[in-house]
Amino acid sequence: DIVMTQSPLSLPVTPGEPASISCRSSQSLLHSNGNNYLDWYLQKPGQSPQLLIYLGFSRASGVPDRFSGSGTGTDFTLKISRVEAEDVGVYYCMQGLQTPPVYTFGQGTKLEIK
Amino acid sequence: QVQLVQSGAEVKKSGASVKVSCKASGYTFTSYYMHWVRQAPGQGLEWMGKINPNGGSTNYAPEFQDRVTVTRDTSTSRVYMELSSLRSEDTAVYYCARELAVTGLDIWGQGTMVTVSS
Repeated sequence: DIVMTQSPLSLPVTPGEPASISCRSSQSLLHSNGNNYLDWYLQKPGQSPQLLIYLGFSRASGVPDRFSGSGTGTDFTLKISRVEAEDVGVYYCMQGLQTPPVYTFGQGTKLEIK
Repeated sequence: QVQLVQSGAEVKKSGASVKVSCKASGYTFTSYYMHWVRQAPGQGLEWMGKINPNGGSTNYAPEFQDRVTVTRDTSTSRVYMELSSLRSEDTAVYYCARELAVTGLDIWGQGTMVTVSS
């Protein structure tokens, strides 16, 4: 099975400052079609998770452009250009490449405001 | 509007089974896969399985293969997740979430709390 490893696990950030979360997979998530099957989700306190980024870099509908995803193969990054108070929560990466389909999440990164 | 509405909280005894439902509305039910993800108290997200409502084919995580069954009813736009042989470690919030092939799990249900007591 593909193992997803996130870092850091805790991320205190000052509002207005940038933030970056790393996600590494135990196997390449790059499909032969050129897509990386890697999503990013945010779970705000007391809420269901919400989709931020799919296929490594595509922003989901309604997601502010301060969120961006990058990377390929086994190394991926979620960046927030300027953190706002509403960005607090736990961020998860998830792979969807494994065949037969088995999806796996990273451990989660808790972003808090300093 | 597009939404997934799940059934209410459940309390079950160890060894019993639980069946959670997820009703879809606001979109073409058979055009999106439906996933089930769970979250134990204070823990991370754990993928359990998915179903293609168009045909009913399923895929399950290996750790749940023997205990979970996901089904759908196209007449009512509902997906069901049944977990058997419950144990205390199955106490968690269970979420359904839809996916339009490889574009991420874009709509999530509100979650259903399942508590397993001995």
